[in-house]
Amino acid sequence: QQQVKQSPQSLIVQKGGISIINCAYENTAFDYFPWYQQFPGKGPALLIAIRPDVSEKKEGRFTISFNKSAKQFSLHIMDSQPGDSATYFCAALQRDTGRRALTFGSGTRLQVQP
Amino acid sequence: NAGVTQTPKFRILKIGQSMTLQCAQDMNHNYMYWYRQDPGMGLKLIYYSVGAGITDKGEVPNGYNVSRSTTEDFPLRLELAAPSQTSVYFCASSYRAGPQETQYFGPGTRLLVL
Repeated sequence: QQQVKQSPQSLIVQKGGISIINCAYENTAFDYFPWYQQFPGKGPALLIAIRPDVSEKKEGRFTISFNKSAKQFSLHIMDSQPGDSATYFCAALQRDTGRRALTFGSGTRLQVQP
Repeated sequence: NAGVTQTPKFRILKIGQSMTLQCAQDMNHNYMYWYRQDPGMGLKLIYYSVGAGITDKGEVPNGYNVSRSTTEDFPLRLELAAPSQTSVYFCASSYRAGPQETQYFGPGTRLLVL
């Protein structure tokens, strides 16, 4: 059972363009939604995260939009740069459980062309 | 701080062999996790630990074992390696406090079972 569905699988964007990656979740008990960035040969690293009590969070060129009623959230990368080329994972967490482990989407490979 | 370290970086195993993947963190985090990453599949939780002496199964625990004798170390044991265990393994750690939930990942161990 895939609890977090991510799309697209891959994305090519021109430098300066907007990259948009979408995720949908099923478990309404999720209450923390981070995005991780992974460069080849490296472990994932936290990029930005949002809680469901806000609809948008912005950090620099990166914005998360959150739609609680639709159970969807998305990552927007403004003014995309070649250095943003990486794989992006959305994730979800139910914080009141003992496990506190992330449920990951399948990932989006972003390529920003110069 | 070194963060989360993993050894080895790469290993080739023959079917039926056993090995231990090492993971250590120097951030005094109580939570530690093992994930496996298969191509196009995101990361799936193998085992996790909420503190020294306490471990529990994740989504895909079959064929693996863990132990947590100290706060710092969380080794993953593969018994009787199978081709299906070919994957990239990531160890992560986090500190449970407040609304933020940042998991810090190690650089990964690439395992090939032939």
